[in-house]
Amino acid sequence: EVQLVESGGGLVQPGGSLRLSCAASGFICSDHHMDWVRQAPGKGLEWVARIRRRANSDSTEYVAAVKGRFTISRDDSSNSLYLQMNSLISDDTAVYYCARVSPALDYYLDNWGQGTLVTVSS
Amino acid sequence: DIQLTQSPSFLSASVGDRVTITCRASQGISSSLAWYQQKPGKAPNLLIYAASTLQSGVPSRFSGSGSGTEFTLTVSSLQPEDFATYYCQQRKSYPITFGQGTRLEIK
Repeated sequence: EVQLVESGGGLVQPGGSLRLSCAASGFICSDHHMDWVRQAPGKGLEWVARIRRRANSDSTEYVAAVKGRFTISRDDSSNSLYLQMNSLISDDTAVYYCARVSPALDYYLDNWGQGTLVTVSS
Repeated sequence: DIQLTQSPSFLSASVGDRVTITCRASQGISSSLAWYQQKPGKAPNLLIYAASTLQSGVPSRFSGSGSGTEFTLTVSSLQPEDFATYYCQQRKSYPITFGQGTRLEIK
């Protein structure tokens, strides 16, 4: 069974840093593109970042709002995905979901974690 | 960036009703569109991808159509568990974008 479990969320002051983790099981992370998607309280979904599968050289993409502040990465030994978030601002307050991108399903997000809440506030 | 605009933003309907949600793209995206359902406090769930392909396990009362700039999600006969928020998503170009959502509530 495919499972994604996020952790690492919490309260952080503006300008601070946080590292989110997403533990994957039931599949090999490096065989798939992986995404982070966030949802501000009471708002819609916003795609944040993607790391492509190893066969595509682990290349990355970011939404403009986080480019230069966030870094997506993957650790193959632990089958985990990460999101390093620096220089956090209040607009980054959201539930952050990791999601698997399925090549079998035309590269759409077929499995999601339960999310982890990040609150940026003084 | 490709903007996706859903209409309506809010929809009130009854069990058994047929409902349609529209998603319009700011530029042509061929069939590179998916629909997700999200219930309160839960992660989104993929319903339809490539504009019209039903994800495995999704009831056949859900259907999708469209290409280019206009897409629709139709629920042929609403069931109680269908009351949720629905999002469209394009993967034609980066950044990947979602529509603002359509909240479907019980009348």
